[in-house]
Amino acid sequence: DIQMTQSPSSLSASVGDRVTITCRASQTINSLLNWYQQKPGKAPNLLIYGASNLQSGVPSRFSGSRSGTDFTLTISSLQPEDFATYYCQQIYSPSLSFGGGTKVEIE
Amino acid sequence: QVQLVQSGAEVKKPGASMKVSCEASGYNFTGFYIHWVRQAPGEGLEWMGWINPNSGVTNYAQKFQGRVTMTRDTSISTAYMELSGLRSDDTAVYSCARDVQVLYYHFFDFWGQGTLVTVSS
Repeated sequence: DIQMTQSPSSLSASVGDRVTITCRASQTINSLLNWYQQKPGKAPNLLIYGASNLQSGVPSRFSGSRSGTDFTLTISSLQPEDFATYYCQQIYSPSLSFGGGTKVEIE
Repeated sequence: QVQLVQSGAEVKKPGASMKVSCEASGYNFTGFYIHWVRQAPGEGLEWMGWINPNSGVTNYAQKFQGRVTMTRDTSISTAYMELSGLRSDDTAVYSCARDVQVLYYHFFDFWGQGTLVTVSS
């Protein structure tokens, strides 16, 4: 199975900060990676698909990139509604997998 | 509008089995894979497997092989996930999600509301 290692597991930031979350795949997955945002008690919401494609309706402050097996989700200017947990998901293998999650908290 | 509506919360004893349903509406049920994902209290998302509602073909995460069975009834646009040999660490919210394909990619665009299953003696 493909392992997805996400870091950090949590971070504290302030409104307006630039935030970066990383996900590393245990093998090549090309650009077959998605990013989701989850708020407490809610279902995850897709932000980015195919490593760098912004889902319709998602604010442009969210962006994704890839370097080899390393993937990055960037929030350019953190907003109050962005405090949540973020997950990466690989879709390269028929057996999908998620990263462990990154909780973004208010500093 | 697309909706996935799941069955209600359950309490099970260790060793028992659970079966959660996921009723789809607002789209062609057989046109989109259904995945099952669980989330233990305070933990992350864990992918369990998928079913192709058109063919009934399934693919399960290795961790659940032998314990999980995913089925569907196309006449009522409903997918099911059954997990046997329950343990306390199976206590979680179980969710179904619709898989949609865009170009070379696919992702989960709609989710059920989640079903809390508590395993306790």
